[in-house]
Amino acid sequence: QKEVEQDPGPLSVPEGAIVSLNCTYSNSAFQYFMWYRQYSRKGPELLMYTYSSGNKEDGRFTAQVDKSSKYISLFIRDSQPSDSATYLCAMSAIGGATNKLIFGTGTLLAVQP
Amino acid sequence: DAGITQSPRHKVTETGTPVTLRCHQTENHRYMYWYRQDPGHGLRLIHYSYGVKDTDKGEVSDGYSVSRSKTEDFLLTLESATSSQTSVYFCAISEADSSYEQYFGPGTRLTVT
Repeated sequence: QKEVEQDPGPLSVPEGAIVSLNCTYSNSAFQYFMWYRQYSRKGPELLMYTYSSGNKEDGRFTAQVDKSSKYISLFIRDSQPSDSATYLCAMSAIGGATNKLIFGTGTLLAVQP
Repeated sequence: DAGITQSPRHKVTETGTPVTLRCHQTENHRYMYWYRQDPGHGLRLIHYSYGVKDTDKGEVSDGYSVSRSKTEDFLLTLESATSSQTSVYFCAISEADSSYEQYFGPGTRLTVT
């Protein structure tokens, strides 16, 4: 079993829809939870990170962490065609720079105009 | 891409040949990482560096070596390329104590025939 599981999609939604992207994990030591966005043939870019449990909002994006269920989510409101990309979740046990990030396989999202 | 360049961007090579990929940063970040990205596996850490001449292994280090003689450059070498090393390789950088804020380069697409 992988430490981090992510539905690969693809997920296709109409413009303006609310999108929900999810990851589950098995390592209860994870404390930092990240979402990266990757456009086709580009490197991943950090969207948001959350420490421990709770919600974090940034514009149209909301990240949620439920440590009791070992489940994290990224919600995108009012989705736009420019949101079409692969979304990767990532996690680490502690925040030190030598601590390794564990990535999900990514979910491919297509927002149809 | 946060002042990170990778070279070459594309390479086709034959099995058994040595290959060196270069990552160059202009951000003066202490930490540098090499990942490979494959369908169904997501991003996996190959090696990382926490300073000049200081490197350590990641999850999938077999068949790879690295060197860092200057802060700005991190080299990844495949001593004898194999078809299983066909992949997209990403370099990433981060500042001290913030592995969750990794900034990725544009990637190198390597094909081993």
